[in-house]
Amino acid sequence: RKEVEQDPGPFNVPEGATVAFNCTYSNSASQSFFWYRQDCRKEPKLLMSVYSSGNEDGRFTAQLNRASQYISLLIRDSKLSDSATYLCVVSSTGGGNKLTFGTGTQLKVEL
Amino acid sequence: NAGVTQTPKFQVLKTGQSMTLQCAQDMNHNSMYWYRQDPGMGLRLIYYSASEGTTDKGEVPNGYNVSRLNKREFSLRLESAAPSQTSVYFCASSLGSAVETQYFGPGTRLLVL
Repeated sequence: RKEVEQDPGPFNVPEGATVAFNCTYSNSASQSFFWYRQDCRKEPKLLMSVYSSGNEDGRFTAQLNRASQYISLLIRDSKLSDSATYLCVVSSTGGGNKLTFGTGTQLKVEL
Repeated sequence: NAGVTQTPKFQVLKTGQSMTLQCAQDMNHNSMYWYRQDPGMGLRLIYYSASEGTTDKGEVPNGYNVSRLNKREFSLRLESAAPSQTSVYFCASSLGSAVETQYFGPGTRLLVL
């Protein structure tokens, strides 16, 4: 089983739609969680950290369910510019200096 | 402020050739990382350096060596390239530990024939 699993998509949604991605992780000892965004043929960039109580940044909402070991990302009012691959990222065991990246979920927002 | 820079952007090697990928950051970050990204595999950590003068193996270190030349620069060397090392290589840095925001360079696309 992969440490971090994501549905690869693609998710094709119309502009203005709400879309949600889920991610599951296998290591219950993981402490830190993130969503990174990667545009086609570009480098990943941090979108947001994920906190236990859930957190929101504009149109983006991230939630963590430690009991079920999954993380979610909700995007409201999708824009064309949201088209990208969204990477779920979890801190690894064995120290704080390693992250494990999921393979990513591809989002395509269409007119 | 350029952030994280990588050279070269593209490279084609023949099996058995060697090369060094260069990475530099101008954000005064302590930690630096080398990842590779392959289709369906996600980003995988090759080596990292938590501070100047230290380096540690990541998930897939075989076939690679690294040098933390100074606080700014972290290079990745392939001594004898193999087709399995065809990949996109990203360098990243963070101010402190890996759980702080990592800033990535634009990547190096490497093809080994």
